[in-house]
Amino acid sequence: DTEVTQTPKHLVMGMTNKKSLKCEQHMGHRAMYWYKQKAKKPPELMFVYSYEKLSINESVPSRFSPECPNSSLLNLHLHALQPEDSALYLCASSQEDRGLTEAFFGQGTRLTVV
Amino acid sequence: ELKVEQNPLFLSMQEGKNYTIYCNYSTTSDRLYWYRQDPGKSLESLFVLLSNGAVKQEGRLMASLDTKARLSTLHITAAVHDLSATYFCAVDPRDTDKLIFGTGTRLQVFP
Repeated sequence: DTEVTQTPKHLVMGMTNKKSLKCEQHMGHRAMYWYKQKAKKPPELMFVYSYEKLSINESVPSRFSPECPNSSLLNLHLHALQPEDSALYLCASSQEDRGLTEAFFGQGTRLTVV
Repeated sequence: ELKVEQNPLFLSMQEGKNYTIYCNYSTTSDRLYWYRQDPGKSLESLFVLLSNGAVKQEGRLMASLDTKARLSTLHITAAVHDLSATYFCAVDPRDTDKLIFGTGTRLQVFP
């Protein structure tokens, strides 16, 4: 089973709203990632969690707040977003065994900020 | 700054033809990954290349890695329409948890 599940699939939110994106994996992977992808662009790394601890924050604005409640779950809390934050948000996980970083991706959440 | 560049960015090719996509990266890494993305969809893992000289093949696609040249190739043999998608290479720089994607190559195969 190489499944990473993301909810919701689509989200429309206003600039004053607070919402959360959720990601779940049951593969026992120890690393989890959030990526942002704009149309016709490559995925851009936002955050990396390793063993439930935040290990990388790629200078992401504080209106994006990640959380890893346990080894299977990853959340991305959104607050006071801007229209330019509209994008496909992808969650991924990897085993990170012997440095192997093959990442398995969820189907993504397509976010529209109005 | 780490750069992962793919060439070409866009490729339109006829069914039955062969072509190669190139991925150049600017950091030390022993591992490289290839992904496929269909429009509006997520990323599907295609190949994991773990050492210098690694070569992997699956169907009409073959990937290789030259860590000394910091170059990976994705070769397409006898293209078919079903291969139309965007292909990304990705690099994990040594001693980091990062996975950094290349610029992407959008492939269109026409009859």
